[in-house]
Amino acid sequence: EDKVVQSPLSLVVHEGDTVTLNCSYEVTNFRSLLWYKQEKKAPTFLFMLTSSGIEKKSGRLSSILDKKELSSILNITATQTGDSAIYLCAVTIQGAQKLVFGQGTRLTINP
Amino acid sequence: NAGVTQTPKFQVLKTGQSMTLQCAQDMNHNSMYWYRQDPGMGLRLIYYSASEGTTDKGEVPNGYNVSRLNKREFSLRLESAAPSQTSVYFCASSDEPASSYEQYFGPGTRLTVT
Repeated sequence: EDKVVQSPLSLVVHEGDTVTLNCSYEVTNFRSLLWYKQEKKAPTFLFMLTSSGIEKKSGRLSSILDKKELSSILNITATQTGDSAIYLCAVTIQGAQKLVFGQGTRLTINP
Repeated sequence: NAGVTQTPKFQVLKTGQSMTLQCAQDMNHNSMYWYRQDPGMGLRLIYYSASEGTTDKGEVPNGYNVSRLNKREFSLRLESAAPSQTSVYFCASSDEPASSYEQYFGPGTRLTVT
């Protein structure tokens, strides 16, 4: 059974801290790994990582894919209260038109 | 350009009642999806439609039916609602470029079954 596991499930830090969120997967025929940010409503896309693009960066957010360890990390530096959200990791599978999601990490940034 | 829209935003049903959740996208995407989100469970796929005229079961299809009415619209029906179906429901769509399966999500429907 295809499985995506995120850790920690919940994290509370102070503004300005750096955080690392983890995602590991066990799937048949891995295609890509995606990170989404979910605030109050719909998830919004952050990054997609594939074999040909294993590191992505956008401002204070960056993500790396480790295909040997079957995992990915999402780093957020100099956190702000606006970074408070649920961060979702999802994996796509070759030949399958669907995403398999992890449970999500609820990140809370306190001022 | 509205993206993915869902109706209704909120709904309260009694056990045994039926209802249909509507979803539409204006991005000319081929694939559409229905997910449910429960606390601590992430998003779980209920049904998906890879293209107009096709539908397939996802991880948690029991108690639900779907209709891909046309390329734009994908509806989710609860024939006899149960309290276990209390959840937030998201519709999503995606295109099929070879390099990307990014999905675009609607705003969600919060359903409570009493």
